[in-house]
Parts: sequence; C-alpha cells; structure tokens
Amino acid sequence: NAGVMQNPRHLVRRRGQEARLRCSPMKGHSHVYWYRQLPEEGLKFMVYLQKENIIDESGMPKERFSAEFPKEGPSILRIQQVVRGDSAAYFCASSPAWTGREETQYFGPGTRLLVL
Amino acid sequence: AQKVTQAQTEISVVEKEDVTLDCVYETRDTTYYLFWYKQPPSGELVFLIRRNSFDEQNEISGRYSWNFQKSTSSFNFTITASQVVDSAVYFCALISNYGGSQGNLIFGKGTKLSVKP
Repeated sequence: NAGVMQNPRHLVRRRGQEARLRCSPMKGHSHVYWYRQLPEEGLKFMVYLQKENIIDESGMPKERFSAEFPKEGPSILRIQQVVRGDSAAYFCASSPAWTGREETQYFGPGTRLLVL
Repeated sequence: AQKVTQAQTEISVVEKEDVTLDCVYETRDTTYYLFWYKQPPSGELVFLIRRNSFDEQNEISGRYSWNFQKSTSSFNFTITASQVVDSAVYFCALISNYGGSQGNLIFGKGTKLSVKP
C-alpha cells in the first residue's frame, strides 16, 4: 500500500514566484492535512481538507497561501509571490476519517521549499 | 489552550544505553490523543504510536516503550539498548476531540537524539 506521496521533494523559487506543492493521500484516505516546519521550529498545522472542502484553515497565513483538494487529483498547497520567510519543509498527512475516532495521520516525505 | 512541551532539545548517548524522551502536555479536554513521531536525518515523519486519554496502559514494542501518566500529564518514550539507527528527531503530539480544529495536531518542538557508536 503506497504511502502519502508528495512532489516535488525539493523546490527552488525566486522571490515573487509561485510555488505549487502536491500531495496524494494514501489509498482510501479522504482527509488531508498540511503542516509547515520552519528551521529551528516544530511542525505547525496549516490546513485540513476533505474532498472539495476546507474544514479548517486556522493555521494558514491570511495572504498568499491557499489550498485545495479537488474531487479528482491531488491536494495542492499554493504559495503566491513567495518570500524568503516561506523557505521551509511542507508536510502533507492523510487519514481515512476524523483522527479523533480511530485513525492516525500518516505523513508524506515533505517538500523542501527554498526561496532565493 | 493546548500545548506540548519537550524540554530536552538534544540528547546524546552511546550505543546500547537506555534513553528516555520526555513529553508533557496541556489540554482542558477530557478526550484527547497523544502521538509520537520519528524524523530521521532523511527527513520524513514516521508514525510510532498513538494513545487515547482513556487508556493509561503502558505500551512496549520491541526496544520502544511508552509511559502515559495522566496524573502528571506526561507521555514519555523510552528506547532500550539504543542503536545508531535510532538517531533522529522525535516529536510528541497532541490532538483533542473538539475545540478549534478537528484535525490539528499540536506538536512539541522535538528532541534530537544522537546515538554514537
């Protein structure tokens, strides 16, 4: 059973460009979560999505960041007009149902974003 | 408020030593779940264990064991006879049943474990 897939694994962007990070959840999982790991900090929740719905985006920066999980295809985390402070590792996790009941969030390998 | 504290930033041991990683959590919820994840040098996050607040039994899995104590709000992780391959950053995390996000894992800042041969 394939795990959570993220691509690209490494992404380099210049200031002002757009970054698109993709996440394919584990087979059978319909819940996707995005976390950001800044240097010297722990992991911080960004957004929680189900198919075609944003459930909780309380951790998303108010500007430049957006996320979607369409009916077909991977979840996308989009960062517009990147700045150097966006350089971080972005992790996607998935679960088959609300974690509070039975399931655990399983993480992908992450995308390392470097903004020059 | 919910919070996870891993007071040990870095630990260094010699192979075959036992090591305990501390985790203290704060939550007002009566139903919550605790997790440990491992992040090896390669960078991925590997799930190790999940424990719910109603189950205070300690757990052992090979060289790994976990001690959950509600009275002290702690969920400590012990590695017995450590090996070089155990070198990683270990994260403790908390999620509750309600309030704010339904899917928001609260992570501690992690403990970097170095096991030297």
